[in-house]
Amino acid sequence: EVQLEESGGGLIQPGGSLRLSCAASGFTVSTNYMTWVRQAPGKGLEWVSVIYDGGIADYADSVKGRFTISRDNFSNSLYLQMNSLRVEDTAVYYCARVASSGWWFDHWGQGTLVTVSS
Amino acid sequence: SYELTQPPSVSVSPGQTATLTCSGDNLGERYASWYQQKPGQSPMVVIYQDNKRPSGIPERFSGSNSGNTATLTITGTQAIDEADYYCQAWESSTGVFGGGTKLTVV
Repeated sequence: EVQLEESGGGLIQPGGSLRLSCAASGFTVSTNYMTWVRQAPGKGLEWVSVIYDGGIADYADSVKGRFTISRDNFSNSLYLQMNSLRVEDTAVYYCARVASSGWWFDHWGQGTLVTVSS
Repeated sequence: SYELTQPPSVSVSPGQTATLTCSGDNLGERYASWYQQKPGQSPMVVIYQDNKRPSGIPERFSGSNSGNTATLTITGTQAIDEADYYCQAWESSTGVFGGGTKLTVV
C-alpha cells in the first residue's frame, strides 16, 4: 500500500528556515516524480515544486530561489528545504506522488502545517 | 504565467447533474485532472488525463477537455459529493491549479 507521511511543520519567524520531510512507503521515491503542494488557511491549492526521477527539479515562481526539493534514496523520503520564509508561506504542505501513467497526483500525504509569524 | 479559472461556487439539487468548469488558454491542448477535497481531508483525484476515472471513483464522475475549457460532470449528484473541486494542468513543467469550486448539494 502506498503511503506518504509529512512532518517538520511548525511555527517559524519570518526570515527563518524549515525543512519538511515526507516519508514514503509502498513504492520507491527515487524512481517516481514527486511534488509538493500547499494550501494557505481557507484558500485553494497551490503547486510548489516537483522533482523528477533524474533529480532535476522545478519550482513555482513564488518559491524559486528560496525553496529546494530533494530526496534521499536510503530513507525513501522527500524533502522541502524552505529558507527566507515569509508570512505568505503559511500553509498546509502536502507531498504527493505523480502517477507513472501521466501527469497527475495519485497519492497524497495528510499534510503538515507551517506557520510563519512573529 | 498560466492561469486556470474556476467559478467559486456551484449549487445542485440531489440527483441532478453538476457541471464544473475550468478555463485556461488552449487548455484542451494539455491534460487536465480534477481533485476533490472535503473539509479536513487531503485532496483526492477524481478525474485524470481529461476523462479517466481512477479505481474506486464512481461512474457518476466524468470529464472532458476541449478548446479552452475542461469540464467535470457529476451525474446524479449525491450529498457525499459536496466538496471543493480543483482542476489542475501543467505548463512548461510547472504545475497549475485552478482556484477551486465549492460544490453545494442542496
